[in-house]
Amino acid sequence: QKEVEQNSGPLSVPEGAIASLNCTYSDRGSQSFFWYRQYSGKSPELIMFIYSNGDKEDGRFTAQLNKASQYVSLLIRDSQPSDSATYLCAVNLRTGANNLFFGTGTRLTVIP
Amino acid sequence: GAGVSQTPSNKVTEKGKYVELRCDPISGHTALYWYRQSLGQGPEFLIYFQGTGAADDSGLPNDRFFAVRPEGSVSTLKIQRTERGDSAVYLCASSQTHGGEAFFGQGTRLTVV
Repeated sequence: QKEVEQNSGPLSVPEGAIASLNCTYSDRGSQSFFWYRQYSGKSPELIMFIYSNGDKEDGRFTAQLNKASQYVSLLIRDSQPSDSATYLCAVNLRTGANNLFFGTGTRLTVIP
Repeated sequence: GAGVSQTPSNKVTEKGKYVELRCDPISGHTALYWYRQSLGQGPEFLIYFQGTGAADDSGLPNDRFFAVRPEGSVSTLKIQRTERGDSAVYLCASSQTHGGEAFFGQGTRLTVV
């Protein structure tokens, strides 16, 4: 099992819909969870982070964390064509460690 | 500077040559990471520095790869005897705190021909 797993997609949603991106991780001791957006040919850009169980909202983005299920998700409300990108899930896999492991990313396309 | 800066942005080198890739982190960030990203893949962890020391180098693929951060700021990733399989985008990131949010530079695209 990979340390961080994501469905590679592609995931297509119509403009204005909710896009749901999912990620699972292997190490139950993981403490910090991040979502990055990466446009083609560009470097990853941090959009959300979450440390505690539950939901965290920032504008159109909501991160959800369930440590018992070792699951973290990102919801994008009112999806826009400019949201079309690859979304990378990243996890600090071990308590006290600072090496951030990434999933392979989910490619999202928002259709106008 | 305002963000993480990496130089060069592109590097083409011949197989067997030595290359150095530079990363200048965000001022005040003590943690610095190097990653490698191949097409269609997520960033692959290489090495992490906390201050001047390499806190975790478990991701370095072999002894041809080495990185330094002598003054706890700028870091250099060094690759000896480059191989075509080393071609990738090399990303550097920094974060202010232990386990905190990491911010990436624009990357160095290395092509070994």
